[in-house]
Amino acid sequence: DAGVTQSPTHLIKTRGQHVTLRCSPISGHKSVSWYQQVLGQGPQFIFQYYEKEERGRGNFPDRFSARQFPNYSSELNVNALLLGDSALYLCASSFQGDSYEQYFGPGTRLTVT
Amino acid sequence: AQKITQTQPGMFVQEKEAVTLDCTYDTSDPSYGLFWYKQPSSGEMIFLIYQGSYDQQNATEGRYSLNFQKARKSANLVISASQLGDSAMYFCAMREGGGGATNKLIFGTGTLLAVQP
Repeated sequence: DAGVTQSPTHLIKTRGQHVTLRCSPISGHKSVSWYQQVLGQGPQFIFQYYEKEERGRGNFPDRFSARQFPNYSSELNVNALLLGDSALYLCASSFQGDSYEQYFGPGTRLTVT
Repeated sequence: AQKITQTQPGMFVQEKEAVTLDCTYDTSDPSYGLFWYKQPSSGEMIFLIYQGSYDQQNATEGRYSLNFQKARKSANLVISASQLGDSAMYFCAMREGGGGATNKLIFGTGTLLAVQP
């Protein structure tokens, strides 16, 4: 079975632009979580979605938003990009909303210039 | 406050030797889980081992074992018989709450392990 997939792999954006990142969970998994990993730091929790509902939100500004689709895939949207948004964005999927087993995708590396 | 502390920015180990990566945590929740992940240069986080706060025995997974000392709030990762492929960044993480809680993981800053031939 395929693991968690994310697209695109890399992208470069300019300050003030908008970006959409995509994540497809492992087949059968109903929960998707998003993390931001700035260079040299550990990942920080942004959102969790379970059964298309927001289950958790980290300490990020309203410029960050996400949604989950009926097929359980997810999008992370970031508006009005700042240089500080440059990071590796990781998606993790799990079978349930409170599963301890989470499987991470390869990430999307976003560079804001 | 919820926090994970990894005090070793980098570690060296000789191939075939054992190495211990340190992790301390802080939480007021009696129910929590502790995780270790490996992150190669490719970026993907690879799950290694899990320890629940109520587990009586230390977790083991192949060459990985978790030295869980609840009173000291430490959860050190021990890698036995190091291999060159173990060279990577290692993160300790914590999830608070039991069933019904979110999947939110709190990560430390990581330890970069280099295995030398």
